[in-house]
Amino acid sequence: AQTVTQSQPEMSVQEAETVTLSCTYDTSESDYYLFWYKQPPSRQMILVIRQEAYKQQNATENRFSVNFQKAAKSFSLKISDSQLGDAAMYFCAYRRLDNDMRFGAGTRLTVKP
Amino acid sequence: EPEVTQTPSHQVTQMGQEVILRCVPISNHLYFYWYRQILGQKVEFLVSFYNNEISEKSEIFDDQFSVERPDGSNFTLKIRSTKLEDSAMYFCASTHKTGGSDTQYFGPGTRLTVL
Repeated sequence: AQTVTQSQPEMSVQEAETVTLSCTYDTSESDYYLFWYKQPPSRQMILVIRQEAYKQQNATENRFSVNFQKAAKSFSLKISDSQLGDAAMYFCAYRRLDNDMRFGAGTRLTVKP
Repeated sequence: EPEVTQTPSHQVTQMGQEVILRCVPISNHLYFYWYRQILGQKVEFLVSFYNNEISEKSEIFDDQFSVERPDGSNFTLKIRSTKLEDSAMYFCASTHKTGGSDTQYFGPGTRLTVL
């Protein structure tokens, strides 16, 4: 079974600073996809970034980037120049090719002004 | 930009009652999903649906749950006899195709409260 682990229940960062959220996963598959979703207080699920396992290059979306270490089964999210609007729950998710997504338990990010 | 919509945003019901949660997936999407998130916990997969039938379901999706695509736009989740532990946010998601890197787009969720 695929499991996703987020070892940091809570993180905080000073506005304009950089923060890294950790995620590890367990799988025997070689092809899969990884995602980070943001869940603000409204509880909507918003896609932040995705990574295809076959790509060595780390995905980047503006201030958001990932450090994907396939051998270590690690998929961390780096948020640069943190903004107050980044405060939310962040969920790491794993998806096999034809399957549903498996989510981690989430990390609550607080941004201090 | 097209988006997944869900109604109602909040549903309150009495234990034992039936509820139907509605979703309108993105119009050209073919694969549909329901997820559940109990307050303070992670998002859990319930069921996936393609070509008018369930393609996969989790152990949570027992006989009290059913899904349906009654017309060309709606995708519904029915809970026949609600229990207190069914209280949760229910998210609908859709994607154009499975496989590949197609992202599942989530709706805003329906908060179900069972009293």
